[in-house]
Amino acid sequence: GAVVSQHPSWVICKSGTSVKIECRSLDFQATTMFWYRQFPKQSLMLMATSNEGSKATYEQGVEKDKFLINHASLTLSTLTVTSAHPEDSSFYICSARALGQTYGYTFGSGTRLTVV
Amino acid sequence: AQSVTQPDIHITVSEGASLELRCNYSYGATPYLFWYVQSPGQGLQLLLKYFSGDTLVQGIKGFEAEFKRSQSSFNLRKPSVHWSDAAEYFCAVAIYNTDKLIFGTGTRLQVFP
Repeated sequence: GAVVSQHPSWVICKSGTSVKIECRSLDFQATTMFWYRQFPKQSLMLMATSNEGSKATYEQGVEKDKFLINHASLTLSTLTVTSAHPEDSSFYICSARALGQTYGYTFGSGTRLTVV
Repeated sequence: AQSVTQPDIHITVSEGASLELRCNYSYGATPYLFWYVQSPGQGLQLLLKYFSGDTLVQGIKGFEAEFKRSQSSFNLRKPSVHWSDAAEYFCAVAIYNTDKLIFGTGTRLQVFP
């Protein structure tokens, strides 16, 4: 079955530094990837949608300069949290969809980011 | 605007008991509906989905869900719960004409032995 690997699974960083999270589709080509943010005991909020080779589309209220998304290949998308602050601490989850697989999403296992 | 409501934040059941998790949606046309399960610190796993056709949908791990248009509901059921079913369950609807999902707030299931 389709597998999405997300790395790292957890990261602690100092305030003001940047953190990169990777999302890889291991056995399929992910033409579209989605990045979500989940606060404790809350639902998933879509941050952005990225299509391979083009700029990501951010949801309203998401700072595109803070949350940099790159989808340079059909198997890799990255989310970089720039100049992280404690309020950026959250659980970040990616999901991937293959070409032609409408609504066929595969989720990564998530990354727990803690900014101290 | 489309939305998904999961009225129950937290449900506790005994192992072996039946389970029903509620999901209500707001949508003008026939919705594309999903149920996902999330174990602590993990991503989401698809349990089942409904696009059209038979309104009773069978999923993995013994789960099923029934689409009821008259009630705008898509409740998840399982006849006999196992301790390993303890997790967070999310109902989701696809946004019309896009491939984005809107998630409900989730229901945390606790299973007692």
